[in-house]
Amino acid sequence: DTGVSQNPRHKITKRGQNVTFRCDPISEHNRLYWYRQTLGQGPEFLTYFQNEAQLEKSRLLSDRFSAERPKGSFSTLEIQRTEQGDSAMYLCASSLMRRSGGDTDTQYFGPGTRLTVL
Amino acid sequence: GDSVTQMEGPVTLSEEAFLTINCTYTATGYPSLFWYVQYPGEGLQLLLKATKADDKGSNKGFEATYRKETTSFHLEKGSVQVSDSAVYFCALRGGGSQGNLIFGKGTKLSVKP
Repeated sequence: DTGVSQNPRHKITKRGQNVTFRCDPISEHNRLYWYRQTLGQGPEFLTYFQNEAQLEKSRLLSDRFSAERPKGSFSTLEIQRTEQGDSAMYLCASSLMRRSGGDTDTQYFGPGTRLTVL
Repeated sequence: GDSVTQMEGPVTLSEEAFLTINCTYTATGYPSLFWYVQYPGEGLQLLLKATKADDKGSNKGFEATYRKETTSFHLEKGSVQVSDSAVYFCALRGGGSQGNLIFGKGTKLSVKP
């Protein structure tokens, strides 16, 4: 178990460019979450997947943002036409939801991708 | 909607002092409650959790008790160390099928030797 990994760790881009981030969850985890964290704030939920299905999207996720998890393993988050307000840390987390229930609420976080839009 | 309020920092303590970081929540249903910690330069790590009223979560000398009557989940440690310096986040997961966590703004703790 190598934990949740995210790439790249840092991304600097110019306003108007598109960026894509990748998240690799813990291998047996079927749920994957994306959050955004700005300086001095707690993480805010963006969207989550159960297997390959995107089950919920926050109102924070404008139409410039899109996320995929095509094979139920890794996920990508793309931001089109980036704006300076998109500068933040983008966090990915994963968890295991068992059909039988039980203690499955724990989300494990990756190190994040820090995006700076100039 | 659901929300978490935690005491604002920064909090500065001397080594071996007692720590309390207050956290209260607003939620419908029966949320699970969590404390996460973010050490400098590192990602969020789960510190402890409680999934029902009166449960006590504990780890690394930290404790928090799920108090439904006061809608609180205060974090405590009897004797802090310099290595405990970090940002602490209180969070809840709603009682419905949605899985996302709702976080407080975080409390920065600095422990001086």
